[in-house]
Amino acid sequence: AQSVTQPDIHITVSEGASLELRCNYSYGATPYLFWYVQSPGQGLQLLLKYFSGDTLVQGIKGFEAEFKRSQSSFNLRKPSVHWSDAAEYFCAVGVLTGNQFYFGTGTSLTVIP
Amino acid sequence: DAGVIQSPRHEVTEMGQEVTLRCKPISGHDYLFWYRQTMMRGLELLIYFNNNVPIDDSGMPEDRFSAKMPNASFSTLKIQPSEPRDSAVYFCASSPGTPRELFFGEGSRLTVL
Repeated sequence: AQSVTQPDIHITVSEGASLELRCNYSYGATPYLFWYVQSPGQGLQLLLKYFSGDTLVQGIKGFEAEFKRSQSSFNLRKPSVHWSDAAEYFCAVGVLTGNQFYFGTGTSLTVIP
Repeated sequence: DAGVIQSPRHEVTEMGQEVTLRCKPISGHDYLFWYRQTMMRGLELLIYFNNNVPIDDSGMPEDRFSAKMPNASFSTLKIQPSEPRDSAVYFCASSPGTPRELFFGEGSRLTVL
């Protein structure tokens, strides 16, 4: 069965430090991959997506993610975190079979001054 | 485009009452999804529609929940009768196709007393 794993429930980083949020998926074929961000009281906003092609994708707000097929991973990165990046981050996988989306359980990011 | 519009943003009701949540998807999007988000269970897919037709309602918790999409620009999620365990944030999302990205509304926060 398809699944998405975000192993880090909560991460704390200092403002200005680099960030990497992990995401692993389980799916037989190449999936469609997404990262969403959710600020408190808000809906989910798409940060970036990977469908095919270049495995390093750029998104909004200075985020990027790299698809690594050999590791079944799609980790999200940002070189310098801002206080406004504090939020919940969700990795998601879209699969053609059944037109389904699978969301990870989310990683909560705290940014300290 | 105005994005996905949900109403009400907040609803407080008493156990046993009927609750109706509404959603207007982005114009031109053929897919509409209803999700529920709680701390305990994260994001759960309740049901999704394609061209106004329900495709998969296996996530609907029980018969108290029903969803309709009478036309391409409107969907409702109804809970009758409501129970305290239904308290959650309910999100509507639309997509131009799957497994393309989902565009989420701001959510409807439901509290059942």
